[in-house]
Amino acid sequence: QQQVKQSPQSLIVQKGGIPIINCAYENTAFDYFPWYQQFPGKGPALLIAIRPDVSEKKEGRFTISFNKSAKQFSLHIMDSQPGDSATYFCAASGGYQKVTFGIGTKLQVIP
Amino acid sequence: DVKVTQSSRYLVKRTGEKVFLECVQDMDHENMFWYRQDPGLGLRLIYFSYDVKMKEKGDIPEGYSVSREKKERFSLILESASTNQTSMYLCASSQLNRDQAFFGQGTRLTVV
Repeated sequence: QQQVKQSPQSLIVQKGGIPIINCAYENTAFDYFPWYQQFPGKGPALLIAIRPDVSEKKEGRFTISFNKSAKQFSLHIMDSQPGDSATYFCAASGGYQKVTFGIGTKLQVIP
Repeated sequence: DVKVTQSSRYLVKRTGEKVFLECVQDMDHENMFWYRQDPGLGLRLIYFSYDVKMKEKGDIPEGYSVSREKKERFSLILESASTNQTSMYLCASSQLNRDQAFFGQGTRLTVV
């Protein structure tokens, strides 16, 4: 069963737009929610992460919104650029360092 | 600079071969992981290890085994490769009580 559900699977936006990627989780033991960014031919790299004690975290143009009661979190990319074109994975973990990933969202930002 | 190095970027193997995928990290991390990445399925955990000679099954261990004889090295073994094991394989490592995982560049394995 998929413990972290991610949508959409693909997303195309114009430069300057605000793509939003959503994730939902089931396991209430999760206490760490990272987003990873993966460029073609590379491994994923940590982009930004949040813990459930805050509802929002912002780093540069990237923002995570977290809704603990709904067990949902999302990634927003402000003023998106063609260089943001990549695959984005949400993830969740807790306890044993075993990270569960979403299926990924392939984002394309059109100039 | 932290580094996780996978021995091969691309591999082509025949059905039934025994295949070894090697991963080395230079960060003195306790935890190491093997994932496979498939379109529409995301990253799925095959095995992980939190110490030398220790291993735990992930979500899809069937058809795979692992070896961790040294802290910095974690090997994934396909005992008898099959075409359904054609995939991108990613190794990762992390510190014991830290959540951030560092990934290698991946090995694209094709089994023919």
